[in-house]
Amino acid sequence: DAKTTQPTSMDCAEGRAANLPCNHSTISGNEYVYWYRQIHSQGPQYIIHGLKNNETNEMASLIITEDRKSSTLILPHATLRDTAVYYCIVRAGGRQGGKLIFGQGTELSVKP
Amino acid sequence: GAGVSQSPSNKVTEKGKDVELRCDPISGHTALYWYRQSLGQGLEFLIYFQGNSAPDKSGLPSDRFSAERTGGSVSTLTIQRTQQEDSAVYLCASSSGTGGNQPQHFGDGTRLSIL
Repeated sequence: DAKTTQPTSMDCAEGRAANLPCNHSTISGNEYVYWYRQIHSQGPQYIIHGLKNNETNEMASLIITEDRKSSTLILPHATLRDTAVYYCIVRAGGRQGGKLIFGQGTELSVKP
Repeated sequence: GAGVSQSPSNKVTEKGKDVELRCDPISGHTALYWYRQSLGQGLEFLIYFQGNSAPDKSGLPSDRFSAERTGGSVSTLTIQRTQQEDSAVYLCASSSGTGGNQPQHFGDGTRLSIL
């Protein structure tokens, strides 16, 4: 079973920041938080991941709470092309880290 | 650089036939994974390979499914005696390792339709 909880769907206005929440209250100390997105008819696209600290790359920012029980993915200036299903996944390393367990994700709709 | 490549992109076959799906991982990636996504379902893990270690086959749904990875690079997923419930998108991913800090990168999948 997925170890994360996400809202089923969200809307965002084009040009505004999209803030996608994720709860992972049972996360273990060696588990990373990963975010992927899937646009229709494509494979999942890696966005960002983190362990404890906040992370930023060219696509997004990841904010992880101090207790690590929740996180937020931020798309700073959403465009119509960001419309997709966004998956939050917790993932251990080593032999346990071989597989990603996907939940249902959040369907983000960016509207003009 | 080149990403994960899967072929064919689409495959239609009759029930009872065998099919082979191919995955070319990113060059240098030692870990390779297979997942499938059925209509209206989430992505489910099937199998993964890491270097020369024995593969983790814990997600294969039946003994009709098998996979191999030759030479530590290309992988083939084989489904024998296909059934209609095997219809799905089969996705391959690769990563530089199975460590928690090593992201998996996906191909665009093979859409398999069983008539």
